Amino acid sequence: SQQGEEDPQALSIQEGENATMNCSYKTSINNLQWYRQNSGRGLVHLILIRSNEREKHSGRLRVTLDTSKKSSSLLITASRAADTASYFCATKAGGADGLTFGKGTHLIIQP
Amino acid sequence: EAGVVQSPRYKIIEKKQPVAFWCNPISGHNTLYWYRQNLGQGPELLIRYENEEAVDDSQLPKDRFSAERLKGVDSTLKIQPAELGDSAVYLCASVPRYQETQYFGPGTRLLVL
Repeated sequence: SQQGEEDPQALSIQEGENATMNCSYKTSINNLQWYRQNSGRGLVHLILIRSNEREKHSGRLRVTLDTSKKSSSLLITASRAADTASYFCATKAGGADGLTFGKGTHLIIQP
Repeated sequence: EAGVVQSPRYKIIEKKQPVAFWCNPISGHNTLYWYRQNLGQGPELLIRYENEEAVDDSQLPKDRFSAERLKGVDSTLKIQPAELGDSAVYLCASVPRYQETQYFGPGTRLLVL
């Protein structure tokens, strides 16, 4: 079963614009992670935010977490064509648990 | 550092045939996961290993799926017999001790005809 639900399912923007993706989940979490998947490839870890954190930055990425609303957002600033990929949020309920992934947001950056 | 290696990358079989996937995790990573990813969906956990022990196989369809991780390094996932609905990408991921980031292999794309 999948816990996270990303929104939107697909997003197309112009290069240089910012892209925002949202993720909602259902149960309490230990941490939430975002992964990127290029077509036909494996997933690549982008950023992890713990349940006691509210915001985190990594390069052009900004992630927020609102545990009261059970939601997270991923912001990619100054998008590039190479950012075209599917983005997944994944939640971890406990320290020893596996990840539960959402269905992903397919992001297309138009040059 | 070499990444997670999976083979084969692609496999086409007829239904009712057996199939096996192989994963070589990153050296030193003690935790290994197998996921299944259907088209347009996120990965779904099948089984998790801590060293050679399967600590979570609750999502593994045990009537036809089996897995092993001998010596706590390489792992094999097997389906016997395969069904049409098993067509998917099978992903392997490994995690170093005391860390959270999962390192994924490129996956094996299975097509069952």
